[in-house]
Amino acid sequence: DVKVTQSSRYLVKRTGEKVFLECVQDMDHENMFWYRQDPGLGLRLIYFSYDVKMKEKGDIPEGYSVSREKKERFSLILESASTNQTSMYLCASSLLGPNQPQHFGDGTRLSIL
Amino acid sequence: AQTVTQSQPEMSVQEAETVTLSCTYDTSESDYYLFWYKQPPSRQMILVIRQEAYKQQNATENRFSVNFQKAAKSFSLKISDSQLGDAAMYFCAYRRPGSTLGRLYFGRGTQLTVWP
Repeated sequence: DVKVTQSSRYLVKRTGEKVFLECVQDMDHENMFWYRQDPGLGLRLIYFSYDVKMKEKGDIPEGYSVSREKKERFSLILESASTNQTSMYLCASSLLGPNQPQHFGDGTRLSIL
Repeated sequence: AQTVTQSQPEMSVQEAETVTLSCTYDTSESDYYLFWYKQPPSRQMILVIRQEAYKQQNATENRFSVNFQKAAKSFSLKISDSQLGDAAMYFCAYRRPGSTLGRLYFGRGTQLTVWP
């Protein structure tokens, strides 16, 4: 089975801090994704990556950056955390191909105080 | 951006009964892919079922089936013989054709409650 592991299930940080959310997948997937999930808004794509060192902006990239130095790892970075970034963050990965499903991690519930 | 609409924020069903969750989408493409994902309280999103638009036959996975109406751009999920474990948030998702990057567009979700 595909395993997508997010480094933290719960995280509390302070306004202005630089925050790193880590995601690792063990199935050699080319694609990796970071979503933000808020009640009533569904999943919104922040960034995605289709190869090492490659990244594409999603729908809400402002305030975020990403890093993909190795194929299995995709990091989301909040450069200067703000309270409006309090949310659930979901990482996913998939093989290339339009019918390939995305496999998700358990999510990180991030609170910015 | 693509639009995926789930018009029912909440639904409920009695155990062993059947429930249908609605999803509509907006596209000008003729070939694309549609997915239903389930997110139980444990939070991990799980693929329930997928449909390829060029296939006219509706996809089925055990108790889960879809009613795919291409002309109406509708992709509803039917859950038969509902079980307590089916209680979850359900998300409908769309993927454009030729999209090797695998970008999905999600609806806002439908929270399903199953009553014993």
